[in-house]
Amino acid sequence: NAGVTQTPKFRILKIGQSMTLQCTQDMNHNYMYWYRQDPGMGLKLIYYSVGAGITDKGEVPNGYNVSRSTTEDFPLRLELAAPSQTSVYFCASRLTTGAGYGYTFGSGTRLTVV
Amino acid sequence: GQQLNQSPQSMFIQEGEDVSMNCTSSSIFNTWLWYKQDPGEGPVLLIALYKAGELTSNGRLTAQFGITRKDSFLNISASIPSDVGIYFCAGQLPRGGSYIPTFGRGTSLIVHP
Repeated sequence: NAGVTQTPKFRILKIGQSMTLQCTQDMNHNYMYWYRQDPGMGLKLIYYSVGAGITDKGEVPNGYNVSRSTTEDFPLRLELAAPSQTSVYFCASRLTTGAGYGYTFGSGTRLTVV
Repeated sequence: GQQLNQSPQSMFIQEGEDVSMNCTSSSIFNTWLWYKQDPGEGPVLLIALYKAGELTSNGRLTAQFGITRKDSFLNISASIPSDVGIYFCAGQLPRGGSYIPTFGRGTSLIVHP
């Protein structure tokens, strides 16, 4: 049982390049989320999904896209990388959205855009 | 949207000391969660609180859900070096049938041996 797996762990992009951050979970969780973490700013929600085929915007969706074709996978796409997207990205999942259920987080992808 | 104020922003303490941190909000929440993030890792859930006034412990950690539902506190007793990390609070309210947490900015804890 690997939990939530994110790849890659580190990446450097040039301005204007595109990339996909991968996230997969093996816990059969319906709910999956993408957050970005900037120093001293906490976690900001980018996109989330309540099940395969369903996605919705979070707090800071601009410049990102997601898809959810399977329960296990929830990739995050950056089409035209900008320096403002330099951050640490965390994928998370949880079994239900009930009040008492916390997230299981991946170990993060550190992205630098130069 | 809701705003969470988490304080202090950082703490530098000696091993063995007790630690207190808190989160306050301008709005009420139905649930409070406390997470710890070790360096280079994702956050891990420590304690979940479900009702106003609730006091819950997890080993040396104790958290409380404020009576007003606008605040929560986390205490760590007899700190040890492995307590080092960033501690996040998160408040939850239902949003369209699901609970999306709002995270505080974190408290960075450094413990000197």
